[in-house]
Amino acid sequence: KAGVTQTPRYLIKTRGQQVTLSCSPISGHRSVSWYQQTPGQGLQFLFEYFSETQRNKGNFPGRFSGRQFSNSRSEMNVSTLELGDSALYLCASRGGDRTDTQYFGPGTRLTVL
Amino acid sequence: DAKTTQPPSMDCAEGRAANLPCNHSTISGNEYVYWYRQIHSQGPQYIIHGLKNNETNEMASLIITEDRKSSTLILPHATLRDTAVYYCIVRLWSGNTGKLIFGQGTTLQVKP
Repeated sequence: KAGVTQTPRYLIKTRGQQVTLSCSPISGHRSVSWYQQTPGQGLQFLFEYFSETQRNKGNFPGRFSGRQFSNSRSEMNVSTLELGDSALYLCASRGGDRTDTQYFGPGTRLTVL
Repeated sequence: DAKTTQPPSMDCAEGRAANLPCNHSTISGNEYVYWYRQIHSQGPQYIIHGLKNNETNEMASLIITEDRKSSTLILPHATLRDTAVYYCIVRLWSGNTGKLIFGQGTTLQVKP
């Protein structure tokens, strides 16, 4: 089975712009979670989607949003980018059952100038 | 929410067993212990998980104490490629979500 894929792998934006990141889960997985990783804050949970519905949301401002499509692919969007949004954004997928393990993608490295 | 405590760093000689401890004294009865590792700037890689019993797979062994307040991840024959940050996570439940809370982890340095 192919793993979790994320596109693009690297991205450079300027302050005030918006960005959309994409995640394709492992085939058959219905849940997609997003995480942000920075040197200062470590790995932090952004949100989780299951069957196109957001199930849980971390403590991030409303500039961070996401969605999930019927094929389980997910996108996250960050509007009005700030320098502090520079981070590695990770996507993880799981089957959706309580005991299912999450598998992570390689991440998208976002740099905001 | 159960939290975990790990040493910030450890060294291990190549070919020797690496034993990474984790304290999770506030774990509740239906919370699993998960281990992931992250090699520099890559996505975290799942290693192993367990609830009560010891577990073993092709990558590692997980030893959970009887009171479940601590656990140890064992890499039986560490190689240079095992150098990574290792995260011990207690899986938090909120409704039906599998949200993971990562701590700072243990940086394992495997030395030749």
